[in-house]
Amino acid sequence: QKEVEQDPGPLSVPEGAIVSLNCTYSNSAFQYFMWYRQYSRKGPELLMYTYSSGNKEDGRFTAQVDKSSKYISLFIRDSQPSDSATYLCAMSSMNSGYSTLTFGKGTMLLVSP
Amino acid sequence: EAGVAQSPRYKIIEKRQSVAFWCNPISGHATLYWYQQILGQGPKLLIQFQNNGVVDDSQLPKDRFSAERLKGVDSTLKIQPAKLEDSAVYLCASSLGDSIYGYTFGSGTRLTVV
Repeated sequence: QKEVEQDPGPLSVPEGAIVSLNCTYSNSAFQYFMWYRQYSRKGPELLMYTYSSGNKEDGRFTAQVDKSSKYISLFIRDSQPSDSATYLCAMSSMNSGYSTLTFGKGTMLLVSP
Repeated sequence: EAGVAQSPRYKIIEKRQSVAFWCNPISGHATLYWYQQILGQGPKLLIQFQNNGVVDDSQLPKDRFSAERLKGVDSTLKIQPAKLEDSAVYLCASSLGDSIYGYTFGSGTRLTVV
């Protein structure tokens, strides 16, 4: 079993839809959870990060962490064509004080006008 | 603020040849990372530097991959000899200290081994 599981998609939605992206993980040592957005032929860029269980909101984006279920989600409200990208979840346990990220495979999102 | 610079953007080589990638991190970022991203997969850490010292190279295939960071600034990643399975995007990232939230990635070097 991989440490981080993520459905690769593609996920196709119409403009204005609510999008739900998810990851599950097996390593209970993970404490820090992030979502990265990666446009084609670009490097990943940090979108949101959370430390504890619960919700965190930033504009149209909401990150949700459920440590008891080892499940994290990213919700995008009022999706736009510019949101079309691959979304990567990433996690870290900060072993020995150093930050190593473990990424999911990424979910490709396509938002049509 | 200038981003993380990587070169070349693309490289095509034959198997068993050698190749080198270059990375210039954001000024002042002490931590530098090299990640390998195979098509359809998430990035996988190859090596992490803190200034010019190696912090983690547990997933670096040391029989063929090597990396150095001279004077704690620029870094090069080398593959010798290359295999077909090395075809991937090689991403360099940097961060202030060891903050996991402060990663900035470059656009990567896309390597194709034929």
